[in-house]
Amino acid sequence: EAGVTQFPSHSVIEKGQTVTLRCDPISGHDNLYWYRRVMGKEIKFLLHFVKESKQDESGMPNNRFLAERTGGTYSTLKVQPAELEDSGVYFCASKQGANNEQFFGPGTRLTVL
Amino acid sequence: GQNIDQPTEMTATEGAIVQINCTYQTSGFNGLFWYQQHAGEAPTFLSYNVLDGLEEKGRFSSFLSRSKGYSYLLLKELQMKDSASYLCAVILRQAGTALIFGKGTTLSVSS
Repeated sequence: EAGVTQFPSHSVIEKGQTVTLRCDPISGHDNLYWYRRVMGKEIKFLLHFVKESKQDESGMPNNRFLAERTGGTYSTLKVQPAELEDSGVYFCASKQGANNEQFFGPGTRLTVL
Repeated sequence: GQNIDQPTEMTATEGAIVQINCTYQTSGFNGLFWYQQHAGEAPTFLSYNVLDGLEEKGRFSSFLSRSKGYSYLLLKELQMKDSASYLCAVILRQAGTALIFGKGTTLSVSS
């Protein structure tokens, strides 16, 4: 079974540019989560999809962040325009139904210069 | 607010036993996870505790005391490959299924 994959693994952009991160969950997992780890801080929740619907987006920092999951399969997280404080590692996780275990991807390291 | 505390760093030698503690002050606690993360890789699930007591899984065990807001991860017969970051995370009833993480404990195992 393929795990959660994320693309790209690294992204370096300049302040003001746009970046789109992609997450492919484990096939059949209806729950998809985005998390972020800023340097020196803990991993923090951003939002949660159930299929294509946003279940909880209470962790989204501001309206420069837009997440989508059209069709209920892969998800994208767009940052527009990027700011310096957006730098960090963005993790995606997925799980099936009521199971407790969330399976994480390796993350996308975003650097905003 | 929610607060989860773990030691920042720990060191141990091969073959030894190490205990990584996690204390939490949260409202609406619904369960506690331990994840292992090697540098540059995905966090991987180790354990999930919802009831008080010890859960054993091979060389790793996890303990929970809900009344004390306390958990620990016990690693036995340490191996070099156990050098990693260990993340404590809780789930709250009111927060759905989102995980709330501590900052993680970096464990270094030496020979």
